Amino acid sequence: SQQGEEDPQALSIQEGENATMNCSYKTSINNLQWYRQNSGRGLVHLILIRSNEREKHSGRLRVTLDTSKKSSSLLITASRAADTASYFCATDEWGAQKLVFGQGTRLTINP
Amino acid sequence: DAMVIQNPRYQVTQFGKPVTLSCSQTLNHNVMYWYQQKSSQAPKLLFHYYDKDFNNEADTPDNFQSRRPNTSFCFLDIRSPGLGDAAMYLCATSRDFAYNEQFFGPGTRLTVL
Repeated sequence: SQQGEEDPQALSIQEGENATMNCSYKTSINNLQWYRQNSGRGLVHLILIRSNEREKHSGRLRVTLDTSKKSSSLLITASRAADTASYFCATDEWGAQKLVFGQGTRLTINP
Repeated sequence: DAMVIQNPRYQVTQFGKPVTLSCSQTLNHNVMYWYQQKSSQAPKLLFHYYDKDFNNEADTPDNFQSRRPNTSFCFLDIRSPGLGDAAMYLCATSRDFAYNEQFFGPGTRLTVL
C-alpha cells in the first residue's frame, strides 16, 4: 500500500537555485524519512524526522513536518549538479514495522 | 567500510528459469528487507526478516521466496520468473524497526527474456 504521495513528480532547476519537494501521507506515523536515489543505484538515507519534531537540518537539507496536515517538505538549498537524483519520502507507521515509500520526485539540476 | 552488498549487479534469466539473488551485510543489523522497484516507481516491499523471523507482505506473489541462513546473508529466490518480474531488486538492512534508517545495497537489475 502506498502511504506517501510526492509533489511535484519532476522538477528541473538551475544550479544554485533552491529545490523544494513535498510529501503527503494518510495515517499516523512514528517518523518520516527522506531518501535519494541516483539512476540505477540503491537508495541513500538523507534525514529522519520524528513525529514530535517540526523541523530538521542537515547541511544543505532542511526538512519540515506538519502532522496536522500530514505533510512534509524537503528543501535543498544552493543546488548542485550532483544533486540530480530521485528523492523519496518514506513513512514509518506506528506498529507497521516497515517503511512505505512515496512515488518520488525526479530532480534535475541544470548547469 | 560497513555496507550492504548485492550480487550479481545484473542478472539475465529466461522465462520460467529459477534465479537467486544474493545480499550480504557487514553492519550486523537485525532486519533485512527485499524490495522490488520497477522503472520510475517507488520501491515495493516484498518481505523482511527480523533475525530469523520471516514477514511476508500480503501481496507478494508465491513465486517469490526468501532465505536467511545467518545474520549476514539473505537470498531472494524467484521460482519461475515471468516477464513482469523484470525489475531492480533492492536489499536493505536496519538495526531495528523503531526510528531506524535503512541502508540499501546497490541493487540487482533482473532481465527476463
